[in-house]
Amino acid sequence: DSGVTQTPKHLITATGQRVTLRCSPRSGDLSVYWYQQSLDQGLQFLIHYYNGEERAKGNILERFSAQQFPDLHSELNLSSLELGDSALYFCASSVALASGWNTGELFFGEGSRLTVL
Amino acid sequence: DAKTTQPNSMESNEEEPVHLPCNHSTISGTDYIHWYRQLPSQGPEYVIHGLTSNVNNRMASLAIAEDRKSSTLILHRATLRDAAVYYCILRGAGGTSYGKLTFGQGTILTVHP
Repeated sequence: DSGVTQTPKHLITATGQRVTLRCSPRSGDLSVYWYQQSLDQGLQFLIHYYNGEERAKGNILERFSAQQFPDLHSELNLSSLELGDSALYFCASSVALASGWNTGELFFGEGSRLTVL
Repeated sequence: DAKTTQPNSMESNEEEPVHLPCNHSTISGTDYIHWYRQLPSQGPEYVIHGLTSNVNNRMASLAIAEDRKSSTLILHRATLRDAAVYYCILRGAGGTSYGKLTFGQGTILTVHP
């Protein structure tokens, strides 16, 4: 158990819909990262938040957005869903140095499996 | 992000040592070498990381070449539970990367009983 909690574990929805994935980081971790894992693209970095502020963006579509709340939990919002958005979405957290820089380990949750029909 | 090259797959027998290689010829002086693994149906799991010196922990050892252009993850006695995809990742300590991990394709390790 990494200490990172993701909900829901599984989600099935239809094209065009909107879903929200939730992540609770390990206690005390200020950094939260979101990753997408699909069969053809592998593990792709989406976005990183540190203490409520966006720090880095990766291959995140404009239809996707994220935020980190004052209690440090994070949500990833996926809208206008397409078949290709079906994937595993992982959240990871880490202890971060000042300004979000980090060279230590990331702790990953078990993921949310999204199926778009 | 600097690139790493790993074999697509490797096989081992249970209780034998496993050496997983990784080439990273374009590594910069501030890049840390990280290894993660992903067991089936689970999120990635941290294994070990290092900068210049060899590192040991309860899971594995990391041997880093003197020129840092390659490294080897060593599992001293493979178990069936070690069957996973192993990712070698270079992680920047500064700039705008803020420590994000860039995963490649990894090495699929199969462990035979």
